[in-house]
This record gives sequence, structure tokens and C-alpha cells, in this order.
Amino acid sequence: NAGVTQTPKFQVLKTGQSMTLQCAQDMNHEYMSWYRQDPGMGLRLIHYSVGAGITDQGEVPNGYNVSRSTTEDFPLRLLSAAPSQTSVYFCASSDLAGGVDTGELFFGEGSRLTVL
Amino acid sequence: GESVGLHLPTLSVQEGDNSIINCAYSNSASDYFIWYKQESGKGPQFIIDIRSNMDKRQGQRVTVLLNKTVKHLSLQIAATQPGDSAVYFCAEKEYGNKLVFGAGTILRVKS
Repeated sequence: NAGVTQTPKFQVLKTGQSMTLQCAQDMNHEYMSWYRQDPGMGLRLIHYSVGAGITDQGEVPNGYNVSRSTTEDFPLRLLSAAPSQTSVYFCASSDLAGGVDTGELFFGEGSRLTVL
Repeated sequence: GESVGLHLPTLSVQEGDNSIINCAYSNSASDYFIWYKQESGKGPQFIIDIRSNMDKRQGQRVTVLLNKTVKHLSLQIAATQPGDSAVYFCAEKEYGNKLVFGAGTILRVKS
């Protein structure tokens, strides 16, 4: 099993550009999520999904869109990149228990994004 | 490597010594706690978890202690090895809500 795979690992954007961070998992997890990690801070939840066709906002959703058309994939879209979105982005997945994510997350290797 | 540790507390220990990493959590309703380890350039990795009906749980070389009275969590690593060098995050969860991560602690192991 590859686990959680993120692409690209590194990306540099100019302000106003758009891009999509890809995330795929092969563990048949229903729950998938995106976090951002900034220096000196813990991981902050951007968006999450409890299954195909279902997405919801996390703690810091502004400036990002997500969709979940399949169980395996959960792309994160930046519509108009801003310097404040410079960060390391992590995709994570987990099982659900009683419809709620278990909290035991499996993370990808991360995507480092720089917005100039 | 990652620059996420610029302003994090740092614990330096000698190889072979025991390490204790502390975490204060904020939500008294949290009933599930997890420790994650993040090595440089990688994503966080699950280490051990504990539910609020327990005050201690042991794994392989790691022990998590939970003190709900003072909302404190600790991770003890026995016989610390160079491979234990990483950033360690505690995370708390209230049932039905999302996992909330702490800022992290850097563990440096001196050989």
C-alpha cells in the first residue's frame, strides 16, 4: 500500500495564480482532510470530507476549495493564491467510527507551497 | 528540512536517557488524545493514543500519561535513540468534533 500520496511536493506560485494540490489514498478510508502547517504552529484543518460527495469546512477554509468525487481522491484548490497561503500542506485520511473520524490520521508527505 | 520548529520548545536529551514531553490541552470535554511524531521533511506519524477513561497507556518504549484534573498529557520515551529526534505533537479530540493539534515540541537526541 502506498498510503496517502500527495503531489506536487514543491510548488512556487505568483500572487493570483490558481493551482490544485492532489491527494490520493489507497486504504479505503472514508475520512479525508487537508491541513496547513506554519512555523511555530500546529496543524490547522482547512477542509475535510466524510465520504464521496460530502465536504465541509475546517478551521481555516477561506481561499481554498475541495471536492470529493471518489473515495480515493481529495484535491485542494487554491483559486487565487496569496502570500498568506505560503505553507506546508498535508493531506490525511482515517477510518470512520459511528460516522465520526477516529482521530488516528494517516498523513501524506506534504506539499510545500510558496506564493510570491 | 521543515522550518516548522522555529519557535517551538526544545528538549535535548542524551542518547540512552529517558525523555518526557509535556502537553497542556485546552478542552475539558476532550475524551481522546493522540501523540504524533514528525520527522524532518515528512508528515506526522501516529505514535500512541489514550482515551479519557484511562490515565496511563504503554506502547513499545513509549508511555502516555493523562491527568484530566490539570488537563495535562505527557509522552515518555524510554532509552531515547537518535531516530527519536523529531517534532512531537499532542492532539485532543472531543467526540463528534475534529482533532485539535498543539504547536509541538522539538526533541533533539545527542549522541
